[in-house]
Amino acid sequence: KQEVTQIPAALSVPEGENLVLNCSFTDSAIYNLQWFRQDPGKGLTSLLLIQSSQREQTSGRLNASLDKSSGRSTLYIAASQPGDSATYLCAPSYQKVTFGTGTKLQVIP
Amino acid sequence: SAVISQKPSRDICQRGTSLTIQCQVDSQVTMMFWYRQQPGQSLTLIATANQGSEATYESGFVIDKFPISRPNLTFSTLTVSNMSPEDSSIYLCSADRGDIQYFGAGTRLSVL
Repeated sequence: KQEVTQIPAALSVPEGENLVLNCSFTDSAIYNLQWFRQDPGKGLTSLLLIQSSQREQTSGRLNASLDKSSGRSTLYIAASQPGDSATYLCAPSYQKVTFGTGTKLQVIP
Repeated sequence: SAVISQKPSRDICQRGTSLTIQCQVDSQVTMMFWYRQQPGQSLTLIATANQGSEATYESGFVIDKFPISRPNLTFSTLTVSNMSPEDSSIYLCSADRGDIQYFGAGTRLSVL
């Protein structure tokens, strides 16, 4: 059974700081891994998808890396903004998607 | 991208009653998924719904409690039956297009 852990559980940073969110998963047999964003009381928004054959993906200020063999992924957010405040979820997928516990990010103006 | 409409967005229900949640996708998809997010927790998959066949339930979830319909390739419903306060959660439907999974905005359910 896939288990996904995200560290830290919560993070508070001043605006403009670069930050890294960590994700680890126990079963390296995955097809892909997605990073999602969830705003309070809302659904999930897909941020980045990394295929199992890829090492990283970039979208704007976001960069996600994947080391499948070690069961790790990181989400790098550059020049953080208050609008980045949300919970970030890591979700590796094989036959189904398994969600991590999430990192709750607060960016302080 | 895919647009997924889910309703109701929230509801407050009495113990012992049932609530049906509707999920509409803007285009045809093979599989739709229903998740539960309990307060302070991450998402847990309830079941996978394929059109034309019975839904596949994950361990800990049963059809009598969470009946699912999938009448066509763009629509699904999840019913939460005989509700108790422990069913208070956010329920989300999703569908995948290519490898990307898209989500509805969720239904926030409170059971009194």
